[in-house]
Amino acid sequence: EPEVTQTPSHQVTQMGQEVILRCVPISNHLYFYWYRQILGQKVEFLVSFYNNEISEKSEIFDDQFSVERPDGSNFTLKIRSTKLEDSAMYFCASIGDRGASNSPLHFGNGTRLTVT
Amino acid sequence: RKEVEQDPGPFNVPEGATVAFNCTYSNSASQSFFWYRQDCRKEPKLLMSVYSSGNEDGRFTAQLNRASQYISLLIRDSKLSDSATYLCVVTQTGANNLFFGTGTRLTVIP
Repeated sequence: EPEVTQTPSHQVTQMGQEVILRCVPISNHLYFYWYRQILGQKVEFLVSFYNNEISEKSEIFDDQFSVERPDGSNFTLKIRSTKLEDSAMYFCASIGDRGASNSPLHFGNGTRLTVT
Repeated sequence: RKEVEQDPGPFNVPEGATVAFNCTYSNSASQSFFWYRQDCRKEPKLLMSVYSSGNEDGRFTAQLNRASQYISLLIRDSKLSDSATYLCVVTQTGANNLFFGTGTRLTVIP
């Protein structure tokens, strides 16, 4: 079964540094998402991406965050200047042609970001 | 008010028991409903979609009550491998993202 893959599995960075989290969605999927989960808390929506542009974003997704689909396979999340509170598990997800309101998401196995 | 609310538990039940989880959602325009399962420090995985007429998948039964804005999940004959956090997930008409509950933690005891 095709999978969403994320790299790295664990990223440690110092406060103020830039990080890029990488994702390879399922190849024929059209909608891409980033979610995050702070330890012990709920999964929170960050951003959705469709047709090479952001379709929705949450309040969490401020100017420090950006997403890119630089080629036909990768989908990246960049945090420009990390803060301690950015420490969380970041999940990438993708879906086929019907969007999240109609079909379940396929999640990657996550990148654990630790900001020190 | 939270979009999706769940009893966080934990629920500790013996093997073979039947256990039920409840979830309420605040937005009446909510369109699609799912139960996801999340193991410790892993990604959420779809357990089952929830349909208006209710649906069953083996030992798992999901129910939806739109009038009360309420979703339930029933697990019969609990197995040790059912131990996980169960996430109630809702989407809204016109929105292209999922709203997650905080999850209900289940531990099945031998």
